[in-house]
Amino acid sequence: DIQMTQSPSSLSASVGDRVTITCRASQSISRYLNWYQQKPGKAPKLLIYAASSLQSGVPSRFSGSGSGTDFTLTISSLQPEDFATYYCQQSYSTLMYTFGQGTKLEIK
Amino acid sequence: QVQLVQSGAEVKKPGASVKVSCKASGYTFSSYGISWVRQAPGQGLEWMAWINTYDGTTKYAQRIQDRVALTTDTSSTTAYMELRSLISDDTAVYYCARVIVPGDIGGSWLDTWGQGTLVTVSS
Repeated sequence: DIQMTQSPSSLSASVGDRVTITCRASQSISRYLNWYQQKPGKAPKLLIYAASSLQSGVPSRFSGSGSGTDFTLTISSLQPEDFATYYCQQSYSTLMYTFGQGTKLEIK
Repeated sequence: QVQLVQSGAEVKKPGASVKVSCKASGYTFSSYGISWVRQAPGQGLEWMAWINTYDGTTKYAQRIQDRVALTTDTSSTTAYMELRSLISDDTAVYYCARVIVPGDIGGSWLDTWGQGTLVTVSS
């Protein structure tokens, strides 16, 4: 099974900060990596698919990069509504997914 | 608009079964698969299973494959997830999500999610 490891597990930042979250796969997954945002009590929301493609309606301050085993999600200038938990997810294993453990982004 | 609406919260005793529904609207149901993902209280996301809504083909996570079954009713555009022999560790919010599989760039992703169904297993 492909394991996904996110770092850090939690992060404190201020409005306006640039934030980067990292996701590492236990084997190469090409660019088959997606990012989701989840707020308390809500369903996850797709942000980035195929490593770097921005889902329709998602603000351009969100961006993704990487390929192979190492990926990043960057928020260029944090807004109050961005404080949430972020998950990466591999889709290399056809239609059988693995999620990272999540990164909780909190207000400093 | 594309929407997935799930059935309401359930409380079950250990050893019982639960069946959660996921009604799709706003798109052609049989053109997109449905995945199920669960989240135990305070924990992360765990992928459970996938169903091809066109032909009923399924894939299940190894750790629950003996206890889970996915089905669909295309006439009502509804997907179902049944989990049997419930244990306390099955207490979680269960989500259905639409699967996008592009033909060109490969991979897949979950673009639309249901609101979640809390299943509580308690004696």
